[in-house]
Amino acid sequence: GDSVTQTEGLVTLTEGLPVMLNCTYQSTYSPFLFWYVQHLNEAPKLLLKSFTDNKRPEHQGFHATLHKSSSSFHLQKSSAQLSDSALYYCALSEAGGNYKPTFGKGTSLVVHP
Amino acid sequence: GPKVLQIPSHQIIDMGQMVTLNCDPVSNHLYFYWYKQILGQQMEFLVNFYNGKVMEKSKLFKDQFSVERPDGSYFTLKIQPTALEDSAVYFCASSLGGRGLYFGSGTRLTVL
Repeated sequence: GDSVTQTEGLVTLTEGLPVMLNCTYQSTYSPFLFWYVQHLNEAPKLLLKSFTDNKRPEHQGFHATLHKSSSSFHLQKSSAQLSDSALYYCALSEAGGNYKPTFGKGTSLVVHP
Repeated sequence: GPKVLQIPSHQIIDMGQMVTLNCDPVSNHLYFYWYKQILGQQMEFLVNFYNGKVMEKSKLFKDQFSVERPDGSYFTLKIQPTALEDSAVYFCASSLGGRGLYFGSGTRLTVL
């Protein structure tokens, strides 16, 4: 079955340093990959999505590259901001299925001054 | 961007009562979802719904839970009867196929 692995439960960074949150996946077919962000006491929001290999979607300074060869979709940002502190979920859904996303357990990002 | 509305934002009820959580999904979306999040924990899938039917449900979707969307009205989650462990924030989401989910702001349910 499908699975998404986010190896870090918590990432703590100093403002201004680069961000990289890991996401790897297992899927029978060619899936769609997503990143969602959930700020404290808010709903999750779609941050990025990728539908083709080696395309690099970007939003709010974040980007992610889908690499089918390594089954990865890591989230990156060149310089962390305090407002980036949130819970980040990586997710996949398979084309042609019931589209139910499989979510990772989430990575909590804490950015401090 | 697309908006999913959830009503009410907060609900407090006594254990054993029935509660209905309402969701107004994005107008052209076809797939609907409910997720449960206990304070400080990750979000967990409950159920998804398409073309008037439950597609898949998790172990958290107990027999006391039911979902429906009669004739394009609200997509609802009903819990009858409620239990203390049902206290959580419930998020509704909708999607147009595999293009990503759009979440509502959640309903905070407190069961006393």
